[in-house]
Amino acid sequence: AQSVTQLGSHVSVSEGALVLLRCNYSSSVPPYLFWYVQYPNQGLQLLLKYTSAATLVKGINGFEAEFKKSETSFHLTKPSAHMSDAAEYFCAVIRIGSGSARQLTFGSGTQLTVLP
Amino acid sequence: KAGVTQTPRYLIKTRGQQVTLSCSPISGHRSVSWYQQTPGQGLQFLFEYFSETQRNKGNFPGRFSGRQFSNSRSEMNVSTLELGDSALYLCASSLEPTGFGPYEQYFGPGTRLTVT
Repeated sequence: AQSVTQLGSHVSVSEGALVLLRCNYSSSVPPYLFWYVQYPNQGLQLLLKYTSAATLVKGINGFEAEFKKSETSFHLTKPSAHMSDAAEYFCAVIRIGSGSARQLTFGSGTQLTVLP
Repeated sequence: KAGVTQTPRYLIKTRGQQVTLSCSPISGHRSVSWYQQTPGQGLQFLFEYFSETQRNKGNFPGRFSGRQFSNSRSEMNVSTLELGDSALYLCASSLEPTGFGPYEQYFGPGTRLTVT
């Protein structure tokens, strides 16, 4: 079964520092991977997606992620953290079943704190 | 284009009661999925509807049910509420994949259900 593991439930960085949020996937076939962000009392907002067109994926708000098959990883990065980046981030993989049935399987989430 | 809308945003119910949550997808999206988010279990898939048919179901008891209308709007119902049903219920909509890779899911703001 496809799954994702997020390493580190809490990450703290200083404003202006590099953000690195880790995600490893488990899949027997090339997966479709996503990163979502959730701000307090809100739903999930899509940051970026990997669909095998390119291994380096650029998303919104300056975030990007690199798909590394050899490491089964899809880590999320941002060169310079901003206070507004403080939120919870979820890595997810989509499973396509019979008849195009689909469901997202999420990692446990990483809470990002940005220190002034 | 308007995003995914969910009503109501907040609900307080008593154990044993039932509740109905509503979701309106993005215009043109025919697939609607529901997820439950709790601090202990994280984000878990409930079910997916497409063309008024349940296409996929997660591992939840039969007290959780849903339906989809001809205009793609969806409702989910929880009967005989338990304290453990307190959660944020998220609805997501997506297009059907017609080419390269599945389309991403777009989430609504969620309905916060509190069972007392």
